[in-house]
Amino acid sequence: EDQVTQSPEALRLQEGESSSLNCSYTVSGLRGLFWYRQDPGKGPEFLFTLYSAGEEKEKERLKATLTKKESFLHITAPKPEDSATYLCAVRRAQGAQKLVFGQGTRLTINP
Amino acid sequence: SQTIHQWPATLVQPVGSPLSLECTVEGTSNPNLYWYRQAAGRGLQLLFYSVGIGQISSEVPQNLSASRPQDRQFILSSKKLLLSDSGFYLCAWRTSGGQETQYFGPGTRLLVL
Repeated sequence: EDQVTQSPEALRLQEGESSSLNCSYTVSGLRGLFWYRQDPGKGPEFLFTLYSAGEEKEKERLKATLTKKESFLHITAPKPEDSATYLCAVRRAQGAQKLVFGQGTRLTINP
Repeated sequence: SQTIHQWPATLVQPVGSPLSLECTVEGTSNPNLYWYRQAAGRGLQLLFYSVGIGQISSEVPQNLSASRPQDRQFILSSKKLLLSDSGFYLCAWRTSGGQETQYFGPGTRLLVL
């Protein structure tokens, strides 16, 4: 069965304090790994799609990386507006259309 | 550009009442459409998906049903709501070929009392 585990569950940082969020996955053939940002009471906002090990993508203060077993979302010099829940999801190569989501990491950036 | 709409934004319904949530997508043709539920403290769970008009696949047996009467319209329904149907319902779309990324709507918060 496909599984996604995100750690930590919650992370509190000071403004400017860089860190990384982890997404470990088990899937029978990876078709894609996805990162989303979700603000309270809103739908997930797409950040990145990674397709193969070694791939990296960047957007402003965020950088996502992918290995064969996990993905990291690195946040550099975060600002309070980066506070949100970050969700990781995978889609397997064959069969079901669904994305399998992790529980998310709730990130708080204190000014 | 593409836009996805959901309504209503919030709904409070009594147990046993019917339900109809609507999702529409603008700016694309023949999208794949998805209904997810996000329960408090839990991850997103796929409920239904559709690859075309009238084509519905169910992922989880439950009290809900889905329909796709038009290319860019996806409806989630129930004849009789249960307490356990409470949650945050999200509609998503993606292009029918190639790109795998799913894009989510703003969601509907449903509270069944």
